Amino acid sequence: AQSVTQLDSHVSVSEGTPVLLRCNYSSSYSPSLFWYVQHPNKGLQLLLKYTSAATLVKGINGFEAEFKKSETSFHLTKPSAHMSDAAEYFCVVSDYNQGGKLIFGQGTELSVKP
Amino acid sequence: DGGITQSPKYLFRKEGQNVTLSCEQNLNHDAMYWYRQDPGQGLRLIYYSQIVNDFQKGDIAEGYSVSREKKESFPLTVTSAQKNPTAFYLCASKGLALKGSYNEQFFGPGTRLTVL
Repeated sequence: AQSVTQLDSHVSVSEGTPVLLRCNYSSSYSPSLFWYVQHPNKGLQLLLKYTSAATLVKGINGFEAEFKKSETSFHLTKPSAHMSDAAEYFCVVSDYNQGGKLIFGQGTELSVKP
Repeated sequence: DGGITQSPKYLFRKEGQNVTLSCEQNLNHDAMYWYRQDPGQGLRLIYYSQIVNDFQKGDIAEGYSVSREKKESFPLTVTSAQKNPTAFYLCASKGLALKGSYNEQFFGPGTRLTVL
């Protein structure tokens, strides 16, 4: 069965410092992995996706993630945090069964201090 | 502009009443999905539809019903049988993927349902 685990429920950084949001996945086959961001009371926006091409994936707003099969990880990083990055971030794996449904991690709330 | 719209943004319901949440997309996507989000949790799949006039239950379908009479519309009804309906409801859609690729799901802005 497919699953994802986000290792931190809350991360706090200072503006201008690096961001690291950790995600481990479990999959019985080569997974499709995503990071989505959600601002308060809003829908979800796709940051980036991995679909078995390059293992280092670049997304929007300076975010990137590296797929590491040996570690079953897909951590999200950004070199320098901005105040507008404060939001909830979800690591997601797709399930080829059930119409390609998405399986969500519990989410990581990112706070950015001035 | 192409996208997904959900209405209303906020919805209040008395116990025992059925309510219907609207989801419309003009992206020409074949697949549509309904998710439920509770505080501090990720999204859970309620129902999904891959083509018109066909839909399947997701992980938490009890107390909900859907219809897919048109490609662009996928309304969700929260019935009185749903024990704990207060939540944030998100609709999503996805286009057909080329072989060997995967299309991401696009999300609407959500409807917050509160049962009084």
